[in-house]
Amino acid sequence: SQTIHQWPATLVQPVGSPLSLECTVEGTSNPNLYWYRQAAGRGLQLLFYSVGIGQISSEVPQNLSASRPQDRQFILSSKKLLLSDSGFYLCASSRLNTEAFFGQGTRLTVV
Amino acid sequence: GIQVEQSPPDLILQEGANSTLRCNFSDSVNNLQWFHQNPWGQLINLFYIPSGTKQNGRLSATTVATERYSLLYISSSQTTDSGVYFCAVLYNAGGTSYGKLTFGQGTILTVHP
Repeated sequence: SQTIHQWPATLVQPVGSPLSLECTVEGTSNPNLYWYRQAAGRGLQLLFYSVGIGQISSEVPQNLSASRPQDRQFILSSKKLLLSDSGFYLCASSRLNTEAFFGQGTRLTVV
Repeated sequence: GIQVEQSPPDLILQEGANSTLRCNFSDSVNNLQWFHQNPWGQLINLFYIPSGTKQNGRLSATTVATERYSLLYISSSQTTDSGVYFCAVLYNAGGTSYGKLTFGQGTILTVHP
């Protein structure tokens, strides 16, 4: 099965600072990659997904962007963080339309 | 887009009790997964079950794709079963070749000793 690496596990950033969260995948090639956010409460909101290098689809307008510079690397970024960007960010990977696997997540607090 | 509804939203059990969690979805899907989110936030894969029935220890799941629902059964519940259970479905968006994994809102399960 696939292994998803996410870092850092926790992050506290001031409003207006930049953000870069990285996700790397082991155990597969050419995966579909996803970024989700889980705000206070329970739902997971899909932010971005990618089917290949340089191919990014955005699900919701927001202060964030994503990039996929390599096949198994997915990066979530922001130029200037907002308080509303706080949350739990999860990266996921799936091979074609099969089972998806998640990283351990990054808990971001914007202060 | 597709709608995924889970019920009940909250469930409180005594240790040893059995429970059934339900997931309804509004359109045809390529596959369906059940996850357990542990207290540290990590999503643990329970079942990958686009159709049929699977069992893993005290847990089992059934998906009836033609009727657009899936059930997760937990038998002889333990305190370690507490957490949030998510159903997620994968469907093709706009006829493209890739899928979008969409989650329900989850069921919060609390098991008391």
